[in-house]
Amino acid sequence: GESVGLHLPTLSVQEGDNSIINCAYSNSASDYFIWYKQESGKGPQFIIDIRSNMDKRQGQRVTVLLNKTVKHLSLQIAATQPGDSAVYFCAENIEGYSTLTFGKGTMLLVSP
Amino acid sequence: DTGVSQDPRHKITKRGQNVTFRCDPISEHNRLYWYRQTLGQGPEFLTYFQNEAQLEKSRLLSDRFSAERPKGSFSTLEIQRTEQGDSAMYLCASSLGTSGGLKYNEQFFGPGTRLTVL
Repeated sequence: GESVGLHLPTLSVQEGDNSIINCAYSNSASDYFIWYKQESGKGPQFIIDIRSNMDKRQGQRVTVLLNKTVKHLSLQIAATQPGDSAVYFCAENIEGYSTLTFGKGTMLLVSP
Repeated sequence: DTGVSQDPRHKITKRGQNVTFRCDPISEHNRLYWYRQTLGQGPEFLTYFQNEAQLEKSRLLSDRFSAERPKGSFSTLEIQRTEQGDSAMYLCASSLGTSGGLKYNEQFFGPGTRLTVL
């Protein structure tokens, strides 16, 4: 497969650790945010989303935190597994616009 | 497989040639999007369709690029007179649109077409 993670910030963790991936978004008008996971040679895969009227949302093993004051988004992955190894992107959206604006990705490497 | 599909998965062409990519969205989705992704970067929006209507185009979409969705189902993206700078992954995504009063809706991505221009 091909790597989409060259020259990306990288987070290396051990299997079983908790991982935190951060994202700074750019537009204060953005009101919907999504985290995507992208494995080598594949398209982005939806993980979890959050709307601006919330500051926390939990899924299965994942939690997204939103701090609108400082325009910061984080993705927490509990009990990280080797299968979580991928590049993670945050994306922002503005109500009334259909397009997503993606941030810079972070490569997560999980060692067994 | 009922996900978004793209064809071909890989395309190698010589500079100056024309190429065409196809995207088949999830069948009940009325919105279809094209993105471009270069190595180490997030996807960048190119254009999107609501059914057969092309509603928005990015400034990234030069006049050498054209996209169609003639019957509101599959879409094609054509690049004419390809340049080496066009080398990238071209991603297609689809979504339901704002049905049922939803303001937001998840975009499902295909596997992409990797274009290499020599």
